[in-house]
Amino acid sequence: ETGVTQSPTHLIKTRGQQVTLRCSSQSGHNTVSWYQQALGQGPQFIFQYYREEENGRGNFPPRFSGLQFPNYSSELNVNALELDDSALYLCASSATGLDGYTFGSGTRLTVV
Amino acid sequence: DAKTTQPNSMESNEEEPVHLPCNHSTISGTDYIHWYRQLPSQGPEYVIHGLTSNVNNRMASLAIAEDRKSSTLILHRATLRDAAVYYCILRDRGSNYKLTFGKGTLLTVNP
Repeated sequence: ETGVTQSPTHLIKTRGQQVTLRCSSQSGHNTVSWYQQALGQGPQFIFQYYREEENGRGNFPPRFSGLQFPNYSSELNVNALELDDSALYLCASSATGLDGYTFGSGTRLTVV
Repeated sequence: DAKTTQPNSMESNEEEPVHLPCNHSTISGTDYIHWYRQLPSQGPEYVIHGLTSNVNNRMASLAIAEDRKSSTLILHRATLRDAAVYYCILRDRGSNYKLTFGKGTLLTVNP
């Protein structure tokens, strides 16, 4: 097992720009979820993908979108960045989605 | 999602047991109880989960009340590395996605 790897670890973007965050899941983990964690808060669910199809979405606007690829990698895209999008973005993967998830260390996004 | 209530913070001494409580009075029959912890500057880490019976693994034990309205995560011998925010989460087996995190309990371990 290689765990969940996220890149980049830190990123600074300007309001209105677009950003793509990347995640590499453990081999065999068909389920990947993305979370947003503001400072001092628990992570908030953005969406989940199972075998390249979105199968769940939290209370986030459509400018948050994602992709999952056959090689267990995935992306989170955010368009028209707002200052409030500044947060830690976490990727988590699971073999079944019903047991434990393995989280990455996250990407710290700062929007200025 | 059913809601959980945890103390904001707890303190323990190194090598002593720690009992982290969680109340979930509105739990439904299909809700699993999951625990995750988040160390500083890291993503959450799965600790343990259970449905009705007490569960043990290499990290911790989970004690579930008979009426399932509360549970306790037990760390048998706290180490400095156990200092983290601990999250108690209810997960409906029917909604096989999303973990709904609250604010959790910040555990401080004193040397």
